[in-house]
This record gives sequence, C-alpha cells and structure tokens, in this order.
Amino acid sequence: AQSVTQLGSHVSVSEGALVLLRCNYSSSVPPYLFWYVQYPNQGLQLLLKYTSAATLVKGINGFEAEFKKSETSFHLTKPSAHMSDAAEYFCAVSDPGANSKLTFGKGITLSVRP
Amino acid sequence: SAVISQKPSRDICQRGTSLTIQCQVDSQVTMMFWYRQQPGQSLTLIATANQGSEATYESGFVIDKFPISRPNLTFSTLTVSNMSPEDSSIYLCSVERTGGLEAFFGQGTRLTVV
Repeated sequence: AQSVTQLGSHVSVSEGALVLLRCNYSSSVPPYLFWYVQYPNQGLQLLLKYTSAATLVKGINGFEAEFKKSETSFHLTKPSAHMSDAAEYFCAVSDPGANSKLTFGKGITLSVRP
Repeated sequence: SAVISQKPSRDICQRGTSLTIQCQVDSQVTMMFWYRQQPGQSLTLIATANQGSEATYESGFVIDKFPISRPNLTFSTLTVSNMSPEDSSIYLCSVERTGGLEAFFGQGTRLTVV
C-alpha cells in the first residue's frame, strides 16, 4: 500500500522568502510523485510530477521538487514566495501500474505575509 | 491537458435525498475517477469508472451509496444517495488522458447536506 505524509497543516512565509513544503512517501514499487495546488474554491492544478526521469523536477510558477529515493522524500520548494502562492498544496503518489489512481497527503496550507 | 466540466458547482440538499453530479470531458479518456474531499481533509478516491464496465469502488465506498455511470468515453455521473450531513464534501471528477502520466481535475462540486 502507498501512503503520503505531509507534516504540519500550515506553513507561513514572508513574501520573497523561501518556500519549503515537505512530502515523504511510502511505496512498495518505484512511484510516480506529484504536487498539486488548490486555490480557494477551485479544483486541483498540477504543479509538477516525477515519473522516473530527472530527479530534480521543475514545475509551473517557479516551483521545483527533488526526488530523493534514499530519504523517500519529494519536497516542494520555491526560492521566493509571492502573495499569489497562498493556497493549499497536496503531495500525491501513484503506482506506475495503477493508471493515475492517486493517494494524497493531507495537504498543507501556505500563507504568504506581505 | 484536458478540460473537465462538473455540474453542479455547488448545491444545498435536504437529508434523505439524492444528488447526481455530472462530469464532462472535452476529449475521450480511458479512466475517470471520483474523489471526495471532506471539510479540512485531503482527497479520498471513491471509485474508478471505465466505459463499458462496472465502476471499481475503494474500501469504505459502496455502489448503493455512490452509484456511478460511464455511458461513453467523455462523460460520467456520480450519485450521492440518501444523503446525510456527513456527506457534505467537495466531490471531484478526475481523468487520465489516454497514454498520459497525470490526472486532471474538474472544479469540484461543493455539496452541503442540511
């Protein structure tokens, strides 16, 4: 069985500061990993994905994540936070043989202070 | 990407009634998924819907409560039956683009049961 752990439920940063959202996974097979963002009253939008190619993955809006197999981690970072980054962020894992059936973490709410 | 339209976007329903949520995709897709996002929680997969076959339900979800139809490759419905306040959630439709490695999500249906 797969699982995703996102520690903490809320992260607050100042505008211009580094954003670091942590994600650890558990999977019996090499997984696919995803970060999704959900803005208020909207659906989920894919930020980036890891599908066994390069371990450093660049996504939209300046976000990137690094797959570290030894640490079973896929942390999301952005060098400089913008007010528009305030949203909920979900890490998700899928089994490559499971046709996009996703297991989500609990999500982290990112607040950005002026 | 895939454009996914969900209807209704929100509804307030009386307990004991049923609501059918529609999901329309702008292109043919193999797999369609229905997720539930309870207040303050992450997304939980309800079922996977393939065209021409019975939906596959995840543990804790049953067909009598959440009947699903998948009449063609661009459309699916999820019915929430005999609703109770505990069914108040956001219900999201998701698709895997044929041959793709990621899931796309609709805007969600925000259901409140009173």
